[in-house]
Amino acid sequence: AQTVTQSQPEMSVQEAETVTLSCTYDTSESDYYLFWYKQPPSRQMILVIRQEAYKQQNATENRFSVNFQKAAKSFSLKISDSQLGDAAMYFCAYRSAFATDSWGKLQFGAGTQVVVTP
Amino acid sequence: KAGVTQTPRYLIKTRGQQVTLSCSPISGHRSVSWYQQTPGQGLQFLFEYFSETQRNKGNFPGRFSGRQFSNSRSEMNVSTLELGDSALYLCASSPYPGQSSYEQYFGPGTRLTVT
Repeated sequence: AQTVTQSQPEMSVQEAETVTLSCTYDTSESDYYLFWYKQPPSRQMILVIRQEAYKQQNATENRFSVNFQKAAKSFSLKISDSQLGDAAMYFCAYRSAFATDSWGKLQFGAGTQVVVTP
Repeated sequence: KAGVTQTPRYLIKTRGQQVTLSCSPISGHRSVSWYQQTPGQGLQFLFEYFSETQRNKGNFPGRFSGRQFSNSRSEMNVSTLELGDSALYLCASSPYPGQSSYEQYFGPGTRLTVT
């Protein structure tokens, strides 16, 4: 079974600064997908960024970028030029590409609360 | 496109009762997954439906069940409610898995409180 670990319960960042959230995962599979989701106080889960394991290039979405290290099973999220609206709980998630017992299943980490200070 | 919708948004029930939650996926999405979110256990996968068939199930007791209709709308049911069932229940939809996109798009959730 796959496990996803987020070791930082909370991270604080000043506006306009950069913060990096860490995520490690354990899997024996070679092909899979990794995601970062954001959950603001409204509780609406919002997809931030995705990464396919077979792609070497790190994904980027505007101010959000990842550092994907497949051999180390590490998938960190960098938020640049932080804004007050970035304050939320951030979840790292894993999804198998092929395993039938993983249909429709995202395996989530425990989350990292990001606090943005003016 | 309209996003994933869930009804009701809030619900208060008494122990022993049963409850039904509803989820309407994004138009064209055929896969619907359900998750339970609690402060203690985090986000846990309940089950996934595709083409009216349950294809995957998480580690939850049989009191938790679901179904999917021909229009891809899904319902989940919890019978004989326990205090520990108090949680945010999230529904997520995804396009047919054969396509390149594997993202799941979440609804706003249903907050269930069991007293």
